[in-house]
This record gives sequence, C-alpha cells and structure tokens, in this order.
Amino acid sequence: AQSVTQLGSHVSVSEGALVLLRCNYSSSVPPYLFWYVQYPNQGLQLLLKYTTGATLVKGINGFEAEFKKSETSFHLTKPSAHMSDAAEYFCAVSGFSNTGNQFYFGTGTSLTVIP
Amino acid sequence: ETGVTQTPRHLVMGMTNKKSLKCEQHLGHNAMYWYKQSAKKPLELMFVYSLEERVENNSVPSRFSPECPNSSHLFLHLHTLQPEDSALYLCASSPSRTVYGYTFGSGTRLTVV
Repeated sequence: AQSVTQLGSHVSVSEGALVLLRCNYSSSVPPYLFWYVQYPNQGLQLLLKYTTGATLVKGINGFEAEFKKSETSFHLTKPSAHMSDAAEYFCAVSGFSNTGNQFYFGTGTSLTVIP
Repeated sequence: ETGVTQTPRHLVMGMTNKKSLKCEQHLGHNAMYWYKQSAKKPLELMFVYSLEERVENNSVPSRFSPECPNSSHLFLHLHTLQPEDSALYLCASSPSRTVYGYTFGSGTRLTVV
C-alpha cells in the first residue's frame, strides 16, 4: 500500500528565505514521487517528479526535491522564496491498483511568503 | 490554459437539483479522472476512465454519476446531493493509465445548499 504524509499544513517564510516543505512516503514497491502546486482557484500543476535515476530532481520555478530512500522522504526545497510562490503544495506517490496506476496525495501544505 | 477545461467554474445547487459538471481535453489523452478536493483532506479519486471505459469507481455514492461519451469529454452528473458534497471537483487526464503525466483542470467549486 502507498501513502504520503506532509508534515506541517502551514509553512511561512520570509521573501528570500529558504523554502522547505516536507514529505514522507510509504510504499511497498519502488515509488514514483511527485510534487504539485495549486494556486488559488486553479487546478494542480506538476512541479517535478522522481521516477528513476538521479535522486536530486529539479523542477519548474527553481524548486527541487531529493529522493532519500533510507529516510523515505521527498522534501521540496527552494533556495530563495518569492512572493509568487505562495500557494498550496501537494506531495503524491504512485501506486498500482488492479486497474492501473493511481496517485495517493498528501493533505497539502499551504505556503505563505512574508514580504 | 492547462489543456483541460472544466465548466462551470462555480456551481451552487439545492439538494433536490440535478446538474452536470463538464470536462474537456484536447491533448490526445486516453485516460480521464474525477477527483474531489475537500478542505483539510487528501484529494480523493472518484472515477477513472480509460479509452472511454470506466475502470475504477472508488465507492462513490450513486448520487454521483459519471459519463464519458468519447475520449475528449467527461461528465459528472449530480442529483440529490448533500451539503457535505460541497467541494472542489477536479478533472484530470493522462496519456494512458500507465503513463505518469496528469494534466489537471482548474476545477468546479460546488456548493450544495
């Protein structure tokens, strides 16, 4: 079975500060991991994904995440927060059902950027 | 423009009404999905269609009825809903059920009064 835990439903950072959003997963098979961002009144947009290969994954808007198997983590980081980064962020892990692939989403982390 | 268009963006309906949500994609994708997003809860997968055939129904109440007339269109028919059904309903598509490339629509904000 697959599941995702996002630690901290709300994170606040100052503009220019490091952004760190935490995600831990549980998976019985090698996981595929994803981060999505949701701006107000919008759908989810893919930030980045890990499938295989390099464990440090770079995404859009300066975000990156590192897959750490030993820690079962896939934390999202950005060196310097921008006001436009304020949004809801979702971590997801893929899993298999008898009908194909399925995503399991975390409950989301709301990022506030303070000027 | 995300490639997946949902209408309407907002919907308010009474518990005795019947309404439909529409999702349209012109990405050439063969799989389409309905998700429910409620506050403080993980996204809930409701229905999955692959090549116009429903392949998954995650114990969704019968007051929600999906329809996929072709690979580009997906509907969610609503009738006799409850206030707890108020949520953001998101449609997504992917090239297939085995390819990871979800594209989400902007959602329909549903309020049941």
